[in-house]
Amino acid sequence: EAQVTQNPRYLITVTGKKLTVTCSQNMNHEYMSWYRQDPGLGLRQIYYSMNVEVTDKGDVPEGYKVSRKEKRNFPLILESPSPNQTSLYFCASSLWGGRPQHFGDGTRLSIL
Amino acid sequence: AQTVTQSQPEMSVQEAETVTLSCTYDTSENNYYLFWYKQPPSRQMILVIRQEAYKQQNATENRFSVNFQKAAKSFSLKISDSQLGDTAMYFCAPGLGVQGAQKLVFGQGTRLTINP
Repeated sequence: EAQVTQNPRYLITVTGKKLTVTCSQNMNHEYMSWYRQDPGLGLRQIYYSMNVEVTDKGDVPEGYKVSRKEKRNFPLILESPSPNQTSLYFCASSLWGGRPQHFGDGTRLSIL
Repeated sequence: AQTVTQSQPEMSVQEAETVTLSCTYDTSENNYYLFWYKQPPSRQMILVIRQEAYKQQNATENRFSVNFQKAAKSFSLKISDSQLGDTAMYFCAPGLGVQGAQKLVFGQGTRLTINP
């Protein structure tokens, strides 16, 4: 089954404690992306990757890091989380940036 | 900044009625894709319908259809014979940017409620 898997689904943590949200896709897609969803703002792109070892900033990259060492995986790293990063996060993949994105089920992150 | 505007934050209709959700965007490109996504309370992002900008014919998927006005940069979604299961947040997402570097840009969303 074609899918994008992200973990964890829910996480409550404290300010400053490093965390990683994993994302994996099994569709051999070149393009992967991270979004955050906040009420009234829709989905905003954090980082994206057009291929292995190629990543670039999206619209709201501050406070986040990513890596793309393998085609299937695209983890999101918060090295020093802060309360303003409390949000719903989605990982997505597609053939390329302008094509339909396949989304993971989302990660609800709460930073206290 | 690339902008996508959904001017209706919330809408509510009775079951079996027809409802239209509006979306406008800005681009100078000629070839791109446009999408509508549905997000039910389960929060999954579900692709509802897609349109290719070079196609003149409006896309249709069962009860869902679009009215794509390329010159006006308008991409509305029409839901016919609405059902309770259509209750969700709907996001318009055109692929914006220059060729080879396009990405989906999401509108703010329209919360649609179908009442019994």
